[in-house]
Amino acid sequence: DGGITQSPKYLFRKEGQNVTLSCEQNLNHDAMYWYRQDPGQGLRLIYYSQIVNDFQKGDIAEGYSVSREKKESFPLTVTSAQKNPTAFYLCASSITGTKYGTDTQYFGPGTRLTVL
Amino acid sequence: AQSVAQPEDQVNVAEGNPLTVKCTYSVSGNPYLFWYVQYPNRGLQFLLKYITGDNLVKGSYGFEAEFNKSQTSFHLKKPSALVSDSALYFCAVRDESSNTGKLIFGQGTTLQVKP
Repeated sequence: DGGITQSPKYLFRKEGQNVTLSCEQNLNHDAMYWYRQDPGQGLRLIYYSQIVNDFQKGDIAEGYSVSREKKESFPLTVTSAQKNPTAFYLCASSITGTKYGTDTQYFGPGTRLTVL
Repeated sequence: AQSVAQPEDQVNVAEGNPLTVKCTYSVSGNPYLFWYVQYPNRGLQFLLKYITGDNLVKGSYGFEAEFNKSQTSFHLKKPSALVSDSALYFCAVRDESSNTGKLIFGQGTTLQVKP
């Protein structure tokens, strides 16, 4: 987990609220990712960013939004449009985020979001 | 379509015995393969990766993985299991269909090592 921090560790949301999950890295990595983990489903990619001020939708982007204003930060907002947001959210980063390198993705400790 | 399969939801082994966690993949081109481990309520920890070269890859904590191109497999192995190895293990392959470093993950395999 070293070098990537996520906060908070646990988050509770009421129906209809937007919440923002923080992800910060001090590894000087260009690329950052957000994944959602549900029991028995592995990890699914929500959004990713290969460079500051640019990001792309992953496989399950609906109901989520992100920003990448600084290289070290990639916050994820879970909006009220996400109908089933209860899950474990993982942030990751890698050096280049391209398929032309031999990057390894490194993960943060995760945030568990629960909708009340 | 590119994919990764971990055919076993759970693997049970006795402490001191060898362990194998299976992974098969389907990609176009040369595969870049990864193994990660996850302890309860924690993030994923990188164990090892195969990029090219020797088919036997050595990683952290005594784990190794064998790449088999003909069988499209990348099984994780350890000669002697420890109780502390009990965790959730994920195999992943890099998505070669796009110009990104996206990973495609398997469903995960729970390893239970009994004393």
